[in-house]
Formats: sequence, C-alpha cells, structure tokens
Amino acid sequence: GAVVSQHPSRVICKSGTSVKIECRSLDFQATTMFWYRQFPKQSLMLMATSNEGSKATYEQGVEKDKFLINHASLTLSTLTVTSAHPEDSSFYICSAEPLGEGNTIYFGEGSWLTVV
Amino acid sequence: QKEVEQNSGPLSVPEGAIASLNCTYSDRGSQSFFWYRQYSGKSPELIMFIYSNGDKEDGRFTAQLNKASQYVSLLIRDSQPSDSATYLCAALNSGNTPLVFGKGTRLSVIA
Repeated sequence: GAVVSQHPSRVICKSGTSVKIECRSLDFQATTMFWYRQFPKQSLMLMATSNEGSKATYEQGVEKDKFLINHASLTLSTLTVTSAHPEDSSFYICSAEPLGEGNTIYFGEGSWLTVV
Repeated sequence: QKEVEQNSGPLSVPEGAIASLNCTYSDRGSQSFFWYRQYSGKSPELIMFIYSNGDKEDGRFTAQLNKASQYVSLLIRDSQPSDSATYLCAALNSGNTPLVFGKGTRLSVIA
C-alpha cells in the first residue's frame, strides 16, 4: 500500500535553533499534503495545508514565519520550525492524499520534537 | 464551523465483546468518513472509510453511515486487548481539503 515517510522520527534541539521535518510520499504523488500537531493526550490539530508549487495555507493561530512549509515537489513537503522554543515540543504528523484517489489519506509515522 | 464530535471515553469492553464507537458531524457537505486507530505515541493508522449510507464490513470492523442523521459509527467484533487504543473519526468534504477530526474515543478491551 501507499506509504508516507517522515524524517526524523525523533529530534531534540536547543531552544532558539531551527529544525526541519521531511514528509515524503514514497510510491505516489500528492499535490497537497497536510501538517498536523498533536500535544500529549490531545487531538490532532491541523497546522497548515501544503500545496505543491505554491504557498502553504495556515490555520488561524499558526505563525507562518515560525513554521515554514516548502512543498517543492509532488512527493516532498518540509516543515521547518524556526527559533524553536520548549512550547513547540510536540508530535508533528503529515498526511497526503494520492492523486486521483479521493477517499484515501495516508499519514506519516510522525516526528517527535523536543526543544530543550 | 465544521465539527466532528466523539465521546472521549474511556469505553471499556470485555475481551470478545462488540465495541461500538460513535461519531457525529456538523458539515452536511462532508463526503467521506474515516476511522483511524491511534496507539499512544504513534501516528494514526487508517482502519476503514465509508462514503455511502449503510454498512461497510472489513474483517472484524463494520462502519455504519447515516447521512440524514449525520452519524457515523464503528463496530469492532470479538474485541481483543490489542484493539485498546484511541479511535479517531474524521470527515472529508472534498479532495485536497483537510480531514476534520474528532477528539477521539479511548477504547479499553479488558482481558
């Protein structure tokens, strides 16, 4: 079946530094990918919609200058957390919908970010 | 505002019983509905999706959709301790739009 791969699965960084998380669709193309954030014991929260070749669409309350999204190809979207702070520590998950398949959405394995 | 509502639980069922998970949605424009299982600390994994009224069965899982009542459910037959997880209901309006998730129902299957 279709696979979405995220990297890294876990990352620890120092406060003030930037971290990049990659989301790749391994065997399909996706014009749109979605980035979610999940704090412990809370529900998934949509952060932004990543569109290939154009600017991402951010949800209300999500700072676009802090969470930089680049969807440079049909198989790769990246999320960069800039000037990370401890409150950014969370589980970041991407999802992607294969082109032409309107009823199937696949999730990456998720990336645990800890900012110390 | 598009919302998906789920009872947070926990829902406790004995091993071998049927677990019934329920979900309602507010957006009548929703086309497809998904059930995901999420183990603690892991990414959600798709169990099944449904887009037509009625029942859809896949192994021990049956999804039920009633668009008139804006209601979706997931039945798990012969529940196993390994089914213990949080079950997320999600609705999709159309392609390339994000899923709208419920907060999830925590299921505990007791051996």
